[in-house]
Amino acid sequence: DQQVKQNSPSLSVQEGRISILNCDYTNSMFDYFLWYKKYPAEGPTFLISISSIKDKNEDGRFTVFLNKSAKHLSLHIVPSQPGDSAVYFCAARGYSGGGADGLTFGKGTHLIIQP
Amino acid sequence: KAGVTQTPRYLIKTRGQQVTLSCSPISGHRSVSWYQQTPGQGLQFLFEYFSETQRNKGNFPGRFSGRQFSNSRSEMNVSTLELGDSALYLCASGPQGSYEQYFGPGTRLTVT
Repeated sequence: DQQVKQNSPSLSVQEGRISILNCDYTNSMFDYFLWYKKYPAEGPTFLISISSIKDKNEDGRFTVFLNKSAKHLSLHIVPSQPGDSAVYFCAARGYSGGGADGLTFGKGTHLIIQP
Repeated sequence: KAGVTQTPRYLIKTRGQQVTLSCSPISGHRSVSWYQQTPGQGLQFLFEYFSETQRNKGNFPGRFSGRQFSNSRSEMNVSTLELGDSALYLCASGPQGSYEQYFGPGTRLTVT
């Protein structure tokens, strides 16, 4: 049962255009969402996060949007640059009986920026 | 600040052996979490430690265990290794009061 889903395994975008990466979740107990970027042979790098009490958070070229009613979030990268080519993971944190849980990750989307 | 460091970076073990992986968090971070990444299952949460106490545990068998020391450094141990334990093991640390976690480069474990 995948609680965090990234339905696009890969996405190709032209340099300078907007990249939009999508993520859906099923667990209504999730209250904090994060995006990570990962290059091969490296650990994930934290990009940006959003609390469930907000619907938008912006940091430079990166903006995350959260639609709680649709259980959907998206990461916008504007403008896309060659160095943005990587695998992007959506992650969520929620609560179960014992308190806050570890992060639940999606399977990732491989973003390819075309020159 | 130095990032999260993990040792060793690569490890080859034989089925049935045990292994210990080490993680040093970012200075000042007291929370350390461990994750397993495999091609089939993706990134999965193993456990989280805070102030030497296990705070959370994912859905892994008891062969997977960990501990945290008073200086926040952490180790994880896998006993009776199976072929399916071959994976990238990632450690992450986080500052108190934040859900953000910062990952190390990982230890690539291969079980033959």
